[in-house]
Amino acid sequence: ETGVTQTPRHLVMGMTNKKSLKCEQHLGHNAMYWYKQSAKKPLELMFVYSLEERVENNSVPSRFSPECPNSSHLFLHLHTLQPEDSALYLCASSLEPWQAIDGYTFGSGTRLTVV
Amino acid sequence: QKEVEQNSGPLSVPEGAIASLNCTYSDRGSQSFFWYRQYSGKSPELIMSIYSNGDKEDGRFTAQLNKASQYVSLLIRDSQPSDSATYLCAVNANNFNKFYFGSGTKLNVKP
Repeated sequence: ETGVTQTPRHLVMGMTNKKSLKCEQHLGHNAMYWYKQSAKKPLELMFVYSLEERVENNSVPSRFSPECPNSSHLFLHLHTLQPEDSALYLCASSLEPWQAIDGYTFGSGTRLTVV
Repeated sequence: QKEVEQNSGPLSVPEGAIASLNCTYSDRGSQSFFWYRQYSGKSPELIMSIYSNGDKEDGRFTAQLNKASQYVSLLIRDSQPSDSATYLCAVNANNFNKFYFGSGTKLNVKP
């Protein structure tokens, strides 16, 4: 596989559930990102990782917990979410943090619905 | 002031016309500029990048950059209904410290 792969593509969860989103990149990039995109709203940066180290956390509620075990994998652990957390969650990668000579590469996203 | 600004649209153009999408940015030292296309419910896809003042053409797409005026635009010639999507402008700010996305312009190409 090449590019950035996200699983699952769709997820429906109750407010008391715990679930995880997975992202994997096969591009040899050193930086990975989680973005949230709500309906008719711009992309919101959530987390930035560089070589497994979190370098930015944009005031995201603690019910979202990222994990980066290595430079190819990124997880977003979810627990006790709210209906307003329903959105498209996008993973992206770039060669280095913030450097994007070739732009960011996005995964296909996970469409999350909280019921 | 937002780092990257775009008119949200929708911009409606007839099939075969030229669609012109504009973007302004605030960081004068910005180095790299990108246009992404995002179909409804899908992830953004990079379609153009530009780094120097002037025009850059790729097929039906032309990116234009004017650093003095701090704007970047995307022209789509011979617009097709399949071009209907939201177009996101992205800017790599000074010293590559930040990467900002605009809120996107929705384009509707009518048959």
